[in-house]
Amino acid sequence: QVQLVESGGGVVQPGRSLRLSCAASGFTFSSYAIHWVRQAPGKGLEWVAVISYDGSNKFYVDSVKGRFTISRDNSENTLYLQMNSLRAEDTAVYYCAREYGFMVRGVISYTFDSWGQGTLVTVST
Amino acid sequence: DIQLTQSPSFLSASVADRVTITCRASQGISSYLAWYQQKPGKAPKLLIYAASTLQSGVPSRFSGSGSGTEFTLTISSLQPEDFATYYCQQLNSYPRTFGQGTKVEIK
Repeated sequence: QVQLVESGGGVVQPGRSLRLSCAASGFTFSSYAIHWVRQAPGKGLEWVAVISYDGSNKFYVDSVKGRFTISRDNSENTLYLQMNSLRAEDTAVYYCAREYGFMVRGVISYTFDSWGQGTLVTVST
Repeated sequence: DIQLTQSPSFLSASVADRVTITCRASQGISSYLAWYQQKPGKAPKLLIYAASTLQSGVPSRFSGSGSGTEFTLTISSLQPEDFATYYCQQLNSYPRTFGQGTKVEIK
């Protein structure tokens, strides 16, 4: 079955860096775009970034542009999120999620069909 | 960026009640909308995609409708396991924004 497992979270001081990983199994990793989504404590979901199936296209939410970098290693079935210049407002549970395209009424409709369990990042002194 | 506004943000309901949650987009998104359910400490779970298509394995008491800028999620008969927070998400463009969530609690 499809499985996504995040790791790398922890407590880090403001201004420091952290790298998250998302290990995938149970599907052909290299065929799917993968996203990072975060959730601050007690708050809603916030989309963070996406990388295309081959790594050639990447998009970010404005609040992390220039600080976070999404990448992937298709030979290792692993997604990464390099987070630099961390701020208190980056404190959140970070989820990776697979984007799946369903054919609906003759049109491909995308959605996030599989999610990891999340890894907590706490930015604090 | 496309903004999604859910209403209500909180609702209190009883088992067997019919519940409707609305999601309004700041601009047209055709039918590129999904609904997720999230329980405390857990990852979101996909319920509905393409505005009205039920994900495999999701009970038929859940249904979605709408297109353009207004969408609804309906639970026809609320069950104890349905008490959770529900999010809509648009997949028309980047960033892939979410609504702020609707928490469904037991009355």
